[in-house]
Order: sequence, then structure tokens, then C-alpha cells
Amino acid sequence: AQKVTQAQTEISVVEKEDVTLDCVYETRDTTYYLFWYKQPPSGELVFLIRRNSFDEQNEISGRYSWNFQKSTSSFNFTITASQVVDSAVYFCALVSGSARQLTFGSGTQLTVLP
Amino acid sequence: DSGVTQTPKHLITATGQRVTLRCSPRSGDLSVYWYQQSLDQGLQFLIQYYNGEERAKGNILERFSAQQFPDLHSELNLSSLELGDSALYFCASSVSDRGGYTGELFFGEGSRLTVL
Repeated sequence: AQKVTQAQTEISVVEKEDVTLDCVYETRDTTYYLFWYKQPPSGELVFLIRRNSFDEQNEISGRYSWNFQKSTSSFNFTITASQVVDSAVYFCALVSGSARQLTFGSGTQLTVLP
Repeated sequence: DSGVTQTPKHLITATGQRVTLRCSPRSGDLSVYWYQQSLDQGLQFLIQYYNGEERAKGNILERFSAQQFPDLHSELNLSSLELGDSALYFCASSVSDRGGYTGELFFGEGSRLTVL
């Protein structure tokens, strides 16, 4: 079984603040992939990153960075110097073992205030 | 633009009715996944097709059915609609039948269904 927990339902920050979105996952499999998707107010799901279980290197893409820690089963997402356009719902997802589909967390609503 | 096309974008219907949602995957993608996003259930996997065959099934109600046609487009049929079926229905596609393992899933913009 695979499970993803995003304990933060809503986060509100002021523009230019840094913000970290938490993601904790559960799987018994050694091979798995983790994802982050963004859902802006317009509703579509936008892919942000995919990470496999054998690569624990942190990744940075512009203002976005991801911290993958197998020891704590976490795959956290940090936005540096947040902007109003970052306001969206962010989903963490997992696929592992014999599963074919992604299992999504419940999402974190991020609001960046001007 | 993900390359995945879903129609209609919005649909309003009454309880007891039947609707069909359509999805065209990205060019070259053989796999189609259907997800339901509702306020109380979040993003729930419904069903997956690969090259015309059903490959995985999630929490899909018996009132719902899907198929993938030879041209690889897929349709999700929802019948005997209830108020609780109101949701955003997403289609995603990937090249392989284990999409997340070989790359990302590309999502369409969704079909918003409102049942009155």
C-alpha cells in the first residue's frame, strides 16, 4: 500500500517570505517515485518534479528546491522568496511497487499575500 | 499546455442523468488515467487504460465505466448521477503502462461536472 500525507492544509505567507511544504510518504517498496504537482486557481495540474527512491540528492530549480530524506520518509518542497503567482494548491504524490497509478496527498493550499 | 485534451470543460446536469467525458492523450502516449477530484475525497484514482486494455482499477463506482478506443482517446461514462458525483475529473496520459516509473504523468485541464 502507498500513502502520502500532507499535514498542512493551508499556509499563508507574505510575498518574499520563504515557505516549506511538507510531504510524508509511506511505502514498503524499495523502488518508488515521488512527485510534486501544482494546481493554480485555473484548475490544471502542473508537473513540478519527479524523484526516484535511489537519488537522495536535493534539487534546486530557480526559487524552488526539494529536500528528499529517506530516513524520515519525507519529500519537502521549499519556495524561496515567494511571489503572489505561487498561490496554488500543491500536491505531493507517490507511485511504488506494483502500483501503476500515482497516489496523491490531500494537498496544501498556499496563499501568498502581496 | 500538457498536450492532453479534455472535453467538455464544464458540464451541468441533473441527478439521474448520464454524461460522457472525453480525453485525448498526448501524441504518442498509450496510457490514459482517470482521476476524480472532489472537496471531501481529494484526488482519487479511478481507472487506467493502456493501448485499449484496462490495466488498473481504483475506487471507481459501478455506475461509472470507461473505455479506450483504437485511436487511443478515452471516454469516462458516468450514469445515474448523484449530487456527490459533482467533481473535477482529470485525465492524464503517459507513454508506458507504468507512467510514474518511466516519467511524469501529463494531466489535462479537467472536466468540471456539476450535478444539480
